Amino acid sequence: EVQVSESGGGLVQTGGSLRLSCAASGFTFRSSAMSWVRQAPGKGLAWVSGISATGGSTYYADSVKGRFTISRDNSKNTLYLQVSSLRAEDTAIYYCAKHVGYCSEGSCYFDYWGQGTLVAVSS
Amino acid sequence: ETVLTQSPGTLSLSPGERATLSCRASQSISNSYLAWYQQKPGQGPRLLIYGASSRATGIPDRFSGSGSGTDFTLTISRLEPEDFAVYYCHHSWTFGQGTKVEIK
Repeated sequence: EVQVSESGGGLVQTGGSLRLSCAASGFTFRSSAMSWVRQAPGKGLAWVSGISATGGSTYYADSVKGRFTISRDNSKNTLYLQVSSLRAEDTAIYYCAKHVGYCSEGSCYFDYWGQGTLVAVSS
Repeated sequence: ETVLTQSPGTLSLSPGERATLSCRASQSISNSYLAWYQQKPGQGPRLLIYGASSRATGIPDRFSGSGSGTDFTLTISRLEPEDFAVYYCHHSWTFGQGTKVEIK
């Protein structure tokens, strides 16, 4: 059974940092691109960052470029998102999602999602 | 960057009725790489439809997707109580803003 499970969220002050983790199982993690998608309270889904299967290519939404860093450890079947210089508008549930296809080429969808981890930024 | 616009924002229907949800893209989507997801309160999204019209594993056949180019539709033929949720369309790095299907 495919499972992805996020952790590492919490309450942090403006300007602070956190490292989010996503543990994956039930599929060949090293062969799958992955993404982080967030959802602000009462709002819709917003893609944040993506990474290729090998980790050699990374992609970011303009709103987080330079502040967030995506990475992966294929030996541990784990995806990470280092979130820094946090702002109030970064408050959201952060989901990790497994890719099928190549979003960079406009040909992808997300077939498995976790339950999310909440990041709350306070001033 | 492609912008996806969903309509209506909210759909108020009764169980057993037909639901028709629209997703319009700001530019043509090649190879119909348009997906639909369902999200219930407190849960992560679930893939329903990919490639505009292919049902994901385990999705009931009352869910169907259609369309090409810039106009796409998700149809739920007969609403079951568990179908009342928010639905999102998705292409590449972009999501639509969602359509809430609520009980009338």
